[in-house]
Amino acid sequence: DAGVIQSPRHEVTEMGQEVTLRCKPISGHDYLFWYRQTMMRGLELLIYFNNNVPIDDSGMPEDRFSAKMPNASFSTLKIQPSEPRDSAVYFCASSPSGRGTGELFFGEGSRLTVL
Amino acid sequence: TQLLEQSPQFLSIQEGENLTVYCNSSSVFSSLQWYRQEPGEGPVLLVTVVTGGEVKKLKRLTFQFGDARKDSSLHITAAQTGDTGLYLCAGLNYGGATNKLIFGTGTLLAVQP
Repeated sequence: DAGVIQSPRHEVTEMGQEVTLRCKPISGHDYLFWYRQTMMRGLELLIYFNNNVPIDDSGMPEDRFSAKMPNASFSTLKIQPSEPRDSAVYFCASSPSGRGTGELFFGEGSRLTVL
Repeated sequence: TQLLEQSPQFLSIQEGENLTVYCNSSSVFSSLQWYRQEPGEGPVLLVTVVTGGEVKKLKRLTFQFGDARKDSSLHITAAQTGDTGLYLCAGLNYGGATNKLIFGTGTLLAVQP
């Protein structure tokens, strides 16, 4: 079975530009998570969805960040306008419901560099 | 804010040596997971421990959940170069939202040939 698919794998952009990261979760998984990873702060949860509905967005750093999940097989994380401090690796992860143990399946990540 | 502190942060050892990585918190978790992340990839789940005092073995890796469900350890016997990577513990918030994991600070392990 295909795992979590993220695109793009690498993005280099200039400050002020809009960035859109995309994610396709594993089919049948009801939970989708967006994490950000940096050397300084480690893995931080930004937002997560259950059945396409945002449940907790308390980790979204600012209004410049937004996430959507229009259907069960697609989610986006948008940064507008981007800033150099947004440079990080952004991971999407999905998880099946009903297990109760929160096991996550991660994509390979999108490495964002904002100049 | 719940925190999971891992120690050591960095570890460089020779192939064949044993090592232990620790994951500590002041909070109780209903379950705890260990992930390994290799460069350029996402974390991959190694194990989940649920019961206080539980010990699980995965080949040369031994995982233990503390009796009070606040801490965990990962012991690797006879480390191999293939064990190199970033080891992350992650706790599920007890009584909190389902599937919201708190990740530890990470331990970067380098096994030299």
